[in-house]
Amino acid sequence: AQRVTQPEKLLSVFKGAPVELKCNYSYSGSPELFWYVQYSRQRLQLLLRHISRESIKGFTADLNKGETSFHLKKPFAQEEDSAMYYCALSALGGAQKLVFGQGTRLTINP
Amino acid sequence: GAVVSQHPSWVICKSGTSVKIECRSLDFQATTMFWYRQFPKQSLMLMATSNEGSKATYEQGVEKDKFLINHASLTLSTLTVTSAHPEDSSFYICSAPGFGQGASEQYFGPGTRLTVT
Repeated sequence: AQRVTQPEKLLSVFKGAPVELKCNYSYSGSPELFWYVQYSRQRLQLLLRHISRESIKGFTADLNKGETSFHLKKPFAQEEDSAMYYCALSALGGAQKLVFGQGTRLTINP
Repeated sequence: GAVVSQHPSWVICKSGTSVKIECRSLDFQATTMFWYRQFPKQSLMLMATSNEGSKATYEQGVEKDKFLINHASLTLSTLTVTSAHPEDSSFYICSAPGFGQGASEQYFGPGTRLTVT
């Protein structure tokens, strides 16, 4: 069965501090991992996906198949990073349904 | 970029009535759309996959006779909550996958808040 676990419901850090949002998954096939973000009063939107291997808004995430993890990191948090972050998984191959983690609410304190 | 709209953004209905929620892809075609449900302070749970020209595929535990899905065209999917009850009150979100190189990305609608009194 597909499963995504985000162990932290809430995470609070100070501006300028490093941020790491944890995500672990279980999936028997070849997964595609995503981070979606939801800012206050906005719709869910893609932040990044593992196959792109890109940095978006200073965030990066590396897929670690050995540890089945896809942690989201940013070296210096900014206040505008405060949002709800969801890790999600789908079967590799496009146009597939997503399984979401429980979400982590990140708050950046000034 | 690809935009998905939902209508209405919120609706209040009485117990026992039916409510229809529309999901539209505004500037692209979507043969597949997904319907999610989100309870307060919880994650999104996939309810069903809407397929243009064929029957929807429901996730385990979702009553297909209660949550009717119709994918009438390449840009429109509807979710009808039939004989709604207070426990159906929730936030309903649809999404559509991108295309081409962005096929694995999902574009989400803004959601519809349903309150059943």
